[in-house]
Amino acid sequence: GQQLNQSPQSMFIQEGEDVSMNCTSSSIFNTWLWYKQDPGEGPVLLIALYKAGELTSNGRLTAQFGITRKDSFLNISASIPSDVGIYFCAGQLRIQGAQKLVFGQGTRLTINP
Amino acid sequence: DADVTQTPRNRITKTGKRIMLECSQTKGHDRMYWYRQDPGLGLRLIYYSFDVKDINKGEISDGYSVSRQAQAKFSLSLESAIPNQTALYFCATRDVTDTQYFGPGTRLTVL
Repeated sequence: GQQLNQSPQSMFIQEGEDVSMNCTSSSIFNTWLWYKQDPGEGPVLLIALYKAGELTSNGRLTAQFGITRKDSFLNISASIPSDVGIYFCAGQLRIQGAQKLVFGQGTRLTINP
Repeated sequence: DADVTQTPRNRITKTGKRIMLECSQTKGHDRMYWYRQDPGLGLRLIYYSFDVKDINKGEISDGYSVSRQAQAKFSLSLESAIPNQTALYFCATRDVTDTQYFGPGTRLTVL
């Protein structure tokens, strides 16, 4: 089946540092999505990417849809304490006429003040 | 007010018990989903529904059933709960741009 490999699984950084995480797959996706999950809450959509090569920003967050359509990365610049949480990538592809969403395993971000 | 709500938020039950998790949405979306989240495994799809008369199995539907009572309501049932169904359960809706909106989750513990 389709799988996404998300890395790193966890990150421990200092406040103010930049963060980079990525997802790769052997499958081709038509949409890439990045979510953040705070403790006790459901995932919240951060960025959606719809076209290969697309680079999109949302404040301090930047994400790109890989040219091969098999990967995506998310960067966070100048991290702050409220960036703490688990970040998930999700790739969407069409299988047998239906859109299927596949999630990565998540990257847990911890920030030391 | 939250657009996607789930009840209960936390539940502890015993092996063999029947339990129902409920989801309601005010977004007016036709498509609704139930996911299960386990540590290190991300989110896995249990069931999904494209409208009241359209129910589909996801990748891990065994041991679960669903009911779409109305466009706004989609409930997940465990007919006979077992310990390995202990997990965080999320309901979600999807809009016409395929953007998903998640509920706050239900933490279920099966003893």
